[in-house]
Amino acid sequence: SQTIHQWPATLVQPVGSPLSLECTVEGTSNPNLYWYRQAAGRGLQLLFYSVGIGQISSEVPQNLSASRPQDRQFILSSKKLLLSDSGFYLCAWSGGLWTSGSVSYEQYFGPGTRLTVT
Amino acid sequence: TQLLEQSPQFLSIQEGENLTVYCNSSSVFSSLQWYRQEPGEGPVLLVTVVTGGEVKKLKRLTFQFGDARKDSSLHITAAQPGDTGLYLCAGAASGTYKYIFGTGTRLKVLA
Repeated sequence: SQTIHQWPATLVQPVGSPLSLECTVEGTSNPNLYWYRQAAGRGLQLLFYSVGIGQISSEVPQNLSASRPQDRQFILSSKKLLLSDSGFYLCAWSGGLWTSGSVSYEQYFGPGTRLTVT
Repeated sequence: TQLLEQSPQFLSIQEGENLTVYCNSSSVFSSLQWYRQEPGEGPVLLVTVVTGGEVKKLKRLTFQFGDARKDSSLHITAAQPGDTGLYLCAGAASGTYKYIFGTGTRLKVLA
């Protein structure tokens, strides 16, 4: 079975400090990977997605960047955090448009990282 | 820009009551997912609907995809306190790898 890990679970960082959040997936190969940010009690905003190693699509211009150094690893980074970067960050994976010859639309989420910038 | 509007935003009901949550868009989606999320956790997938007019049931939850694949509904029969949470719909657009999330419906079921 597939599992997705995120760490750390919570993080408190001062303004201007760097950020690195990591996400890894087990039990699948060549997944599509996603980073979302969620405001309190609201829907999810797509930040970045990746369909392969080194392939990153940015959805929202911001103070963040993403990288995919390995097939099942997705990293969210910032060089200098802003107060507005605070939020709940979620990593997700999907099998993409085709999985084993059939269409697969399911998307699965990690446990999330609560980031507070002070 | 594709948007998914959910209604209502908040719902507080008594145990045993029925409720319906709506997810609407002007865009066509190749599939639509429903998730439930607990505070401080990631969303958990409940169901995926793909075909226009499709109806799926998950115990007391009934999901329907609109004929034109632009809208969906979630109906809960005899709600229980364990149904409390944030319900999210998400649409996958054809030919893309992106999912558009709805604005969310926060449900509270009182014992």
